Amino acid sequence: DAGVIQSPRHEVTEMGQEVTLRCKPISGHDYLFWYRQTMMRGLELLIYFNNNVPIDDSGMPEDRFSAKMPNASFSNLKIQPSEPRDSAVYFCASSLRDTRGYTGELFFGEGSRLTVL
Amino acid sequence: AQKITQTQPGMFVQEKEAVTLDCTYDTSDQSYGLFWYKQPSSGEMIFLIYQGSYDEQNATEGRYSLNFQKARKSANLVISASQLGDSAMYFCAMREGYSTLTFGKGTMLLVSP
Repeated sequence: DAGVIQSPRHEVTEMGQEVTLRCKPISGHDYLFWYRQTMMRGLELLIYFNNNVPIDDSGMPEDRFSAKMPNASFSNLKIQPSEPRDSAVYFCASSLRDTRGYTGELFFGEGSRLTVL
Repeated sequence: AQKITQTQPGMFVQEKEAVTLDCTYDTSDQSYGLFWYKQPSSGEMIFLIYQGSYDEQNATEGRYSLNFQKARKSANLVISASQLGDSAMYFCAMREGYSTLTFGKGTMLLVSP
C-alpha cells in the first residue's frame, strides 16, 4: 500500500516567492496533519483536517501560510510570500479514527525540505 | 509548561545492550495516548509503539517496550538488544482529546559497535 506522499521532496526558493507543498494521504484515512520541523522549535503542528474540514489552524504562524484540502486525497500548504525563517522540513501525516473516536498513530510522509534564500 | 519533556538530548549505548529513553508528560485529561517515533538520518518518521492511558499492560512491540508509570506521568521507551540501525532521533508524543499529537524535543541515540 502506498504511504503518505509528499512533493516536492526539496524546494529551494528566494524570499518573496510563493511556495506550494503537496500531500496525498493514505486512502481511507480521515485525518490529515501538517507539521513543521526545525532544530530550534522541534515538531510543531500547523493545521489539521478531519474529513477534509480544517479543524484547528492555531499553529499556522501567520497569514502568509494557508492550507486547503479540496478532497480526501489531496492537501496543499502554501506560503506566500516566503521568508528565510520559513526554512524547515514540512511533514504531512494522516491517520484513521478508531472505534472510540480517537486518532490512531500518525503515518508520516517523507517530508518536504524547504530552503528560502 | 511543556506537555512532553525528553530530558536526554543524547544517549550512547553499545550494540546488544538495552537502553531506556525517558519521557515525561503533563496532562489533566484522563484519556490520552502516548506514542514513540523514530527518525533516522534519512528524515522519515517511523511509528514504534503506542500506550493508551487506560491500558493496564505496558505496550511491547518486538524489541521495543514502553515503561508506563501513570502516577509519575512517565512513558519511557526501552530498546532491548540495541542494533547499529537503532541510531536515530527518538520522539515521544502525546495525544490529548481525540486528535492531535504534541511531540517532545527528541533524544538522539547513538549505538556503537
